[in-house]
Amino acid sequence: GQNIDQPTEMTATEGAIVQINCTYQTSGFNGLFWYQQHAGEAPTFLSYNVLDGLEEKGRFSSFLSRSKGYSYLLLKELQMKDSASYLCAVPNSGGYQKVTFGIGTKLQVIP
Amino acid sequence: GAGVSQSPRYKVAKRGQDVALRCDPISGHVSLFWYQQALGQGPEFLTYFQNEAQLDKSGLPSDRFFAERPEGSVSTLKIQRTQQEDSAVYLCASSPRAQTGETQYFGPGTRLLVL
Repeated sequence: GQNIDQPTEMTATEGAIVQINCTYQTSGFNGLFWYQQHAGEAPTFLSYNVLDGLEEKGRFSSFLSRSKGYSYLLLKELQMKDSASYLCAVPNSGGYQKVTFGIGTKLQVIP
Repeated sequence: GAGVSQSPRYKVAKRGQDVALRCDPISGHVSLFWYQQALGQGPEFLTYFQNEAQLDKSGLPSDRFFAERPEGSVSTLKIQRTQQEDSAVYLCASSPRAQTGETQYFGPGTRLLVL
């Protein structure tokens, strides 16, 4: 099965950089997702990492180390609208896309 | 184009009532998922459809939960004899194909409150 750990809450200042960590255990690795979920809204896709290293998309970057079972999401130049929960998720090792989500890290951006 | 839609957005039920939650996935999407999300938690997998076939229902909490997708598009999640512990947000997601690593597109969810 899958097990995912991520901090439950973080606070950061507008304009700063924040790193949200995720560690995972899975019986068969098929990549790792990050989703953003604003309060009361649906999760929306941020990134999908399959290979080790850092992938950058504008202000958001995602890093993966398969050997360490570790990923992080890096948010730069924080804006108030980045206040949301950030969900780390891993697909199962079966033939389709059953995904196990972490509890989510609730990020609060303060002025 | 249109995203995933769900109805109703909010549902209040008395304990013991049956409820039906509807999901309209993105047109042409093969895969459809249902998740249950409790307050302050991540989404928990309930069931998966590939077209009209329900390939995995391992996450359904009890036999009171039933899902269908008879024509491979719209799906309905039915909960019989609702209990207070069923109170949660029920999310539906779809994806274009049935491959590992596909992005899932989520609907806004149905917030169910059982009194």
